[in-house]
Amino acid sequence: DVKVTQSSRYLVKRTGEKVFLECVQDMDHENMFWYRQDPGLGLRLIYFSYDVKMKEKGDIPEGYSVSREKKERFSLILESASTNQTSMYLCASSSTGTHRSYEQYFGPGTRLTVT
Amino acid sequence: AQSVTQPDIHITVSEGASLELRCNYSYGATPYLFWYVQSPGQGLQLLLKYFSGDTLVQGIKGFEAEFKRSQSSFNLRKPSVHWSDAAEYFCAVGPSPYSSASKIIFGSGTRLSIRP
Repeated sequence: DVKVTQSSRYLVKRTGEKVFLECVQDMDHENMFWYRQDPGLGLRLIYFSYDVKMKEKGDIPEGYSVSREKKERFSLILESASTNQTSMYLCASSSTGTHRSYEQYFGPGTRLTVT
Repeated sequence: AQSVTQPDIHITVSEGASLELRCNYSYGATPYLFWYVQSPGQGLQLLLKYFSGDTLVQGIKGFEAEFKRSQSSFNLRKPSVHWSDAAEYFCAVGPSPYSSASKIIFGSGTRLSIRP
């Protein structure tokens, strides 16, 4: 079974803090993704990575950065947390291949509250 | 641009009743289509997928979906729902023609409640 784990289920941070969200997958997947989930908006892609040290902006990258130093680990960084970044953050991974690369496996999510 | 619309925000059905969740997409070519389910407190799980071929697709947990090109739809169905089907359901479409990676676009979700 593919397993995607996220470092925290719940996180509370203060405005202006630097926040790190960690994601680890154990299936040697090339692709990894960070999404933000908000009610009524579905999932919106923040960043994704298709290889170690390779990254590409998604639809809402402002205020976020990412790091992928090892294949199994993909980190999302909030440089200076703001209250409008309070949300559920979901990490996903996928393999390569014409179709398999589109089958994403998700972690349980981190609910981040910024006060 | 690609987009996915799930017109129903919340649906309630009785246990044992049939279910249909609607999904409409906008895409310039033949899309890849997906349904994911998110149970309370959990991440998303892939229910079923369509890439090509037979337009009626079978998935896990007794779900099926039908791709109708003329209606730009990919509705999810189940003949008889169980209380454990209460969850949020997301339709998604890909691929993105503007990216080097395998991006998909998600709809806003439909929350399913089951009436005992």
